[in-house]
Amino acid sequence: AQRVTQPEKLLSVFKGAPVELKCNYSYSGSPELFWYVQYSRQRLQLLLRHISRESIKGFTADLNKGETSFHLKKPFAQEEDSAMYYCALSHSGAGSYQLTFGKGTKLSVIP
Amino acid sequence: DTGVSQNPRHKITKRGQNVTFRCDPISEHNRLYWYRQTLGQGPEFLTYFQNEAQLEKSRLLSDRFSAERPKGSFSTLEIQRTEQGDSAMYLCASSLRMGNPGNTIYFGEGSWLTVV
Repeated sequence: AQRVTQPEKLLSVFKGAPVELKCNYSYSGSPELFWYVQYSRQRLQLLLRHISRESIKGFTADLNKGETSFHLKKPFAQEEDSAMYYCALSHSGAGSYQLTFGKGTKLSVIP
Repeated sequence: DTGVSQNPRHKITKRGQNVTFRCDPISEHNRLYWYRQTLGQGPEFLTYFQNEAQLEKSRLLSDRFSAERPKGSFSTLEIQRTEQGDSAMYLCASSLRMGNPGNTIYFGEGSWLTVV
């Protein structure tokens, strides 16, 4: 069965410090991985996906199939990065279009 | 805001009552999803429509839950004989059907259900 694990419920960093939000997954097929973000009082929105290999708001994430990880990184945290971050896995390769989410990590950037 | 719209945003109901939530997806989107989220958890998939066809249902969707999407536009999620364990945020999302399965899924703000 597919599973997404985000080991940290809360991560606090100082402004300007590097950030790494961890995500590990378990899936027997070829996964598609995503990071979603939810800012305070806003809806859940897509931050980035591994197939795009892009940087959004300074965040990047590399899919490491050997370690089954998809960690989210940013070299210098900003106060506006404070939010809830969810890692998600899509099983679309198996003909399913559901997303499996992790429990989320709350990022708090201290000024 | 022309995003995914859900209503009501909040619903408090007594145990045993029926409740219905409505979702209006982004107009050109033909895929529609329902998720449930409880405190401290990520969203959990419930069901998925492509146009008016319900193509996938999670085992979380017990027989007290029913979802419809008549005419492939808005969708309703009905919970019959509510239980306290049904208290959660119910999220609706929509996306375009594209050749690439990694298309962006847009979420609504959710409907909070409290069963007392």
